[in-house]
Amino acid sequence: DIQMTQSPSSLPASLGDRVTITCRASQDIGNYLRWFQQKPGKSPRLMIYGATNLAAGVPSRFSGSRSGSDYSLTINSLESEDMAIYYCLQHNEYPPYTFGAGTKLELK
Amino acid sequence: QVQLKESGPGLVQPSQTLSLTCTVSGFSLTSNSVHWVRQPPGKGLEWVGAIWSGGSTDYNSALKSRLSISRDTSKSQVFLKMNSLQTEDTAIYFCTGRGTSYWGQGVMVTVSS
Repeated sequence: DIQMTQSPSSLPASLGDRVTITCRASQDIGNYLRWFQQKPGKSPRLMIYGATNLAAGVPSRFSGSRSGSDYSLTINSLESEDMAIYYCLQHNEYPPYTFGAGTKLELK
Repeated sequence: QVQLKESGPGLVQPSQTLSLTCTVSGFSLTSNSVHWVRQPPGKGLEWVGAIWSGGSTDYNSALKSRLSISRDTSKSQVFLKMNSLQTEDTAIYFCTGRGTSYWGQGVMVTVSS
């Protein structure tokens, strides 16, 4: 199974900050990488697909990038509504699809 | 618009069988996959399995021996059946469609006597 190593597990940040969350794939997954945002008591929301493409309705301060086997989600100019847990998901080789362990983004 | 909604019992006794239904609207099951994902309380997301547009299925290998996913395209419903439930299966179960782009609200399943 492909392992997705997500870091950091916790990310304290201030409003207006630029933050980056990273997932490293244990094998080649191409650009078959998605990012989800999950707020307490809510379902995950698709933010990025194809490693770099913004999902419909997602603010432009969110972006995705890839460098080799490292995939990153960057949020520019943090807003209070961005505080949530973020997960990556690989869907290149399956079964299974595999999620990262999650990053909790919280106010410093 | 696209909607998915899970339904099923909130409480299941240990060793019993869990049966969940995902009712979808706004897209066709014959053109899109539906996946099940679960989340134990306070923990991360775990992919459970999927039924593809052609009707074939894939399962998480850790659950494969206990798991079955099927569908009724005429009713736009996808079904999950998992037997021999244990307390570790306590989780929110989500169905997600169109390649995990759209998610249901989830259903909390507690395994307890």
